[in-house]
Amino acid sequence: DGGITQSPKYLFRKEGQNVTLSCEQNLNHDAMYWYRQDPGQGLRLIYYSQIVNDFQKGDIAEGYSVSREKKESFPLTVTSAQKNPTAFYLCASSWDRGRSPLHFGNGTRLTVT
Amino acid sequence: AQKVTQAQTEISVVEKEDVTLDCVYETRDTTYYLFWYKQPPSGELVFLIRRNSFDEQNEISGRYSWNFQKSTSSFNFTITASQVVDSAVYFCALSELGNAGGTSYGKLTFGQGTILTVHP
Repeated sequence: DGGITQSPKYLFRKEGQNVTLSCEQNLNHDAMYWYRQDPGQGLRLIYYSQIVNDFQKGDIAEGYSVSREKKESFPLTVTSAQKNPTAFYLCASSWDRGRSPLHFGNGTRLTVT
Repeated sequence: AQKVTQAQTEISVVEKEDVTLDCVYETRDTTYYLFWYKQPPSGELVFLIRRNSFDEQNEISGRYSWNFQKSTSSFNFTITASQVVDSAVYFCALSELGNAGGTSYGKLTFGQGTILTVHP
């Protein structure tokens, strides 16, 4: 079955450490996205990529970094510069940006103490 | 700037009741898409429906129906005869396509979500 795989489901880190969240898709989608979800808030876009080796900042990119070396992979690194990293992170993909619905992974819940 | 408002933060109903989730949007573009997503407790958002700005036909899919009214900038979602399995967070989202190539082209803006709880 095609889909998006995020790992791990739960992640715990100490403050000051960088951490990388994995996102893999086998839907052959060109566009991929990272969203952050906090309680009581909608999803906020961190980064998106419309094609391999290209990505753009979203609304809250500070303290995060991404890479898109392969079409199926879009890992997100939460750096120590991110002031409030504890959140639920969702990866998504779509055929194009804007018209196509997004397909989401199951998310990674990151807790930084 | 585009904006999506879901004024109902939480709704609680008893099974078999009908429930309507409101969504009001703001955009200056004439070309845009509207979406509804469901987020069950597992966390994964599931796509429910997409509507483009030129298609105001209402849609029914089983117990789900959607009412799109451009005159009031609303895209409301009704669940008929609700069931416990409908309990989830529901998100409305807007994607503008009016200024092709611009930084906001295709950007998807989500509402804050409505938590629906259906009690047995």
